[in-house]
Amino acid sequence: SQQGEEDPQALSIQEGENATMNCSYKTSINNLQWYRQNSGRGLVHLILIRSNEREKHSGRLRVTLDTSKKSSSLLITASRAADTASYFCATEPNFGNEKLTFGTGTRLTIIP
Amino acid sequence: DGGITQSPKYLFRKEGQNVTLSCEQNLNHDAMYWYRQDPGQGLRLIYYSQIVNDFQKGDIAEGYSVSREKKESFPLTVTSAQKNPTAFYLCASSGSSYSSFYSNQPQHFGDGTRLSIL
Repeated sequence: SQQGEEDPQALSIQEGENATMNCSYKTSINNLQWYRQNSGRGLVHLILIRSNEREKHSGRLRVTLDTSKKSSSLLITASRAADTASYFCATEPNFGNEKLTFGTGTRLTIIP
Repeated sequence: DGGITQSPKYLFRKEGQNVTLSCEQNLNHDAMYWYRQDPGQGLRLIYYSQIVNDFQKGDIAEGYSVSREKKESFPLTVTSAQKNPTAFYLCASSGSSYSSFYSNQPQHFGDGTRLSIL
């Protein structure tokens, strides 16, 4: 079952612009994670935000979490061609079995 | 360098054949996972293991089998009962302890095996 749904499904922007992706989920969570996947490769962990956190930063990445709306957003500032990839959110439930449920992803294309 | 190694990178299966995908990690992680990814889709959990000699079914376990005889290794067998095996298979591990209730730990992924039907 897909717990997370990313929006939009695809996004194309000019290099240097900011990119925002959204994730909605259905049940209570312990944390929410964002991953990047380059074409034909495995996923790379970007950032983890716990249910008691509202915002987290890592370099050019900013993640927000609104547990009342069951939603999260990932902002990539000053985008680069190397940011072209698919981005997935994944949720860990709050009953501690550590299984992640992944969304369907946002395909981000940075136009040079 | 620590990481997860999946092999082979490409695999072809004949009708009625079982094939085994390898996953090895040297991160000293307790938990390991197998996912299936279809084109344009997210990841679906096949099996996972939180400790050696123990594993649990995920959301789509039918037609697959696993073993966890060593901490470092978690091979996945795609059996002939899996009628639509063509997909990208990803293995992951995380450092969660079996005794911890909340892990809050990210998963580390291998670079996948692409399985096709001959």
